[in-house]
This record gives sequence, structure tokens and C-alpha cells, in this order.
Amino acid sequence: GAGVSQSPSNKVTEKGKDVELRCDPISGHTALYWYRQSLGQGLEFLIYFQGNSAPDKSGLPSDRFSAERTGGSVSTLTIQRTQQEDSAVYLCASSHLGPGAEQFFGPGTRLTVL
Amino acid sequence: GNSVTQMEGPVTLSEEAFLTINCTYTATGYPSLFWYVQYPGEGLQLLLKATKADDKGSNKGFEATYRKETTSFHLEKGSVQVSDSAVYFCALRVGVTGGGNKLTFGTGTQLKVEL
Repeated sequence: GAGVSQSPSNKVTEKGKDVELRCDPISGHTALYWYRQSLGQGLEFLIYFQGNSAPDKSGLPSDRFSAERTGGSVSTLTIQRTQQEDSAVYLCASSHLGPGAEQFFGPGTRLTVL
Repeated sequence: GNSVTQMEGPVTLSEEAFLTINCTYTATGYPSLFWYVQYPGEGLQLLLKATKADDKGSNKGFEATYRKETTSFHLEKGSVQVSDSAVYFCALRVGVTGGGNKLTFGTGTQLKVEL
């Protein structure tokens, strides 16, 4: 399909381990966003990419969180030394540039830290 | 800062009942307002939007009017169906030069429609 895809769909890890979450945006979408959906917290913005650069990282909760995007396409969100409070659904969205551009969301990765 | 407050769920209605899900916001600048829906097992989808005061967004029988004077964007539907059972998120976007169009979401309201 032509939608946003994310992998893995589910990830269970032990506290202290590192994890990588992947997002494949819709082809041609310059803008890419990561959000986190935690129980009782709603959806929180994490980071925004325009092409391969990230002009807005204001939502990353700590320096254990990082993300990159290569080739203006695939993005990887990395969480180092995972903690139980990192357990959440991580959503990726992509869009064209421009104030009116609709964001299209992927199905998310459910991360569980034991 | 920007924030969105929406009514707590879950909301349980009988089929053909009238639906209102309240949403109010706080924002700097002039936000665009959105309702997103997340059906069971699916990703978030845009349901409707309004980009300026007094605009009405509508889709699939749902409506919401951008009320600047009350800073509200309540979602309504005159007659809900079982297939409307989902989680509904109110969101806003304030465009920032060079900063993209990140969305600020409410916590979501779960709707369950029963026969």
C-alpha cells in the first residue's frame, strides 16, 4: 500500500536495553513527525523532520531519545537504556510541506518495557 | 503554551442517539483545529478540520464549528451508528515558521455505540 508503515508493530524489551523503531513515510512527503501515545497522556509530539534535518526536537523527553532520517525517507527513532515509563505507542506521520498539509499516520509501534 | 482539553470517556450511546464530544483549547496565535478518529486496530485518520473562526468542518455526518469566543471545537453527530465506535481526538496546530505543523492533541474520548 501507499500509506505510512512502521515496524515493528509490537516490541517488548527489558529495562536498560536500547530499541529502534522504524518509520517508512509516504513517498514524496518531505515532512515527518514522531508522536507518542501514553496511557492517560494522549498524543505527544516528539520530533519533526523536514527532509533529513530536524528543526524541532522540542518534544523529545530526554537525551535517551534520538531520531534520524536518511535520504529524505525512512526515519528511525532510537531509545537508549529504556525505562518503564517509555512504554507507549509510538506513532509516525508524514505530510507534504505547507501549513494546510494533512498529516497521514502510521499504525504505530507498541513498546512495552518490562 | 498550546493545549487541548476534551471530555473524559468512555462515552456509551445507543444507536441513533445524538453525540456531542466537547473540546476546548488554549493557543498562542491563530490555530487550525482538527478532529481525528482511531478505529479499533487502525491508525489515526483525519475526520474533519477548520482553519479559522466560524468555519464548520464536516465529514461522515460529523460536524464541528470553530468558536473563537469560547475557544471550543465540539464534535457533534445527529445519529450515531455502531460503526462510529472509536477513539476521537481533538487537536490543534499553530504553524511556526521553520517549525513544521506539529499537532497538539487532547487525551482522546472513547465512544462505544450499542444496538
